[in-house]
Amino acid sequence: SQQGEEDPQALSIQEGENATMNCSYKTSINNLQWYRQNSGRGLVHLILIRSNEREKHSGRLRVTLDTSKKSSSLLITASRAADTASYFCATADTGGFKTIFGAGTRLFVKA
Amino acid sequence: NAGVTQTPKFQVLKTGQSMTLQCAQDMNHEYMSWYRQDPGMGLRLIHYSVGAGITDQGEVPNGYNVSRSTTEDFPLRLLSAAPSQTSVYFCASRLPRAANTEAFFGQGTRLTVV
Repeated sequence: SQQGEEDPQALSIQEGENATMNCSYKTSINNLQWYRQNSGRGLVHLILIRSNEREKHSGRLRVTLDTSKKSSSLLITASRAADTASYFCATADTGGFKTIFGAGTRLFVKA
Repeated sequence: NAGVTQTPKFQVLKTGQSMTLQCAQDMNHEYMSWYRQDPGMGLRLIHYSVGAGITDQGEVPNGYNVSRSTTEDFPLRLLSAAPSQTSVYFCASRLPRAANTEAFFGQGTRLTVV
C-alpha cells in the first residue's frame, strides 16, 4: 500500500480562500515533500520539509510536519484559479533510496 | 538544461508486445526512478536506481525490467505488455539522500495496451 495518504481527496474553494490538505504516512521518514501536478503534465516540486523540521514557508505555501503523528499539512493561502491542480505528498524513507507518493488531493479553485 | 527527458510521449501497444521507455537526465543525478500513475492511485514506484550499475525494485516491479549502464540513462522495459500496464509513466531523478533535495520529473509517457 502507498506510504502517504492525502485528505481530502478533492477540494473545491473560491478564489481568495485558503486551501488545506493533509497527508499521513506510515513509516519513519528522512523528509516529506509536496508536489503539484497540472492536468496532463509532470509533477513539479513545491516544498521539502526535513524530519527534524516542524514548519516551513515558501511564498503562499505553509507546510507543517508532525512526526509523532506521522502527518503533514499543506496550506495554500489566498488561493488563485491558477492553483487548480492535484497536490501530492511524498516521503523519502530513512535510507533515502525510495520516494513514495500518496494518492493526491485534487484542488479546484473557482474564479 | 533539458532536465529529465522521456520518450516517447504516447505509445499504443498490442498485448504481448515488448517495448522500452526511454529516460535521460542531464543534471548528473545519481538517483533515478520510474513511476506509474493510474487514475485515483497517485504515483507508484516501479524500479529505482541509486547509481550506474545499481537497480532495485519498488512497489510494483512485476512485468518491468530496468538497467542503468550510465548515469544519464534509465530505460524501462516492458517484457510482454498487458492491458493492466495501461498507464502514464513518469521518470524522475534527484541527488542522493544526503542532499535532501527534491525529485525532478519528466513530462510522462502515456501508454495504452490493447
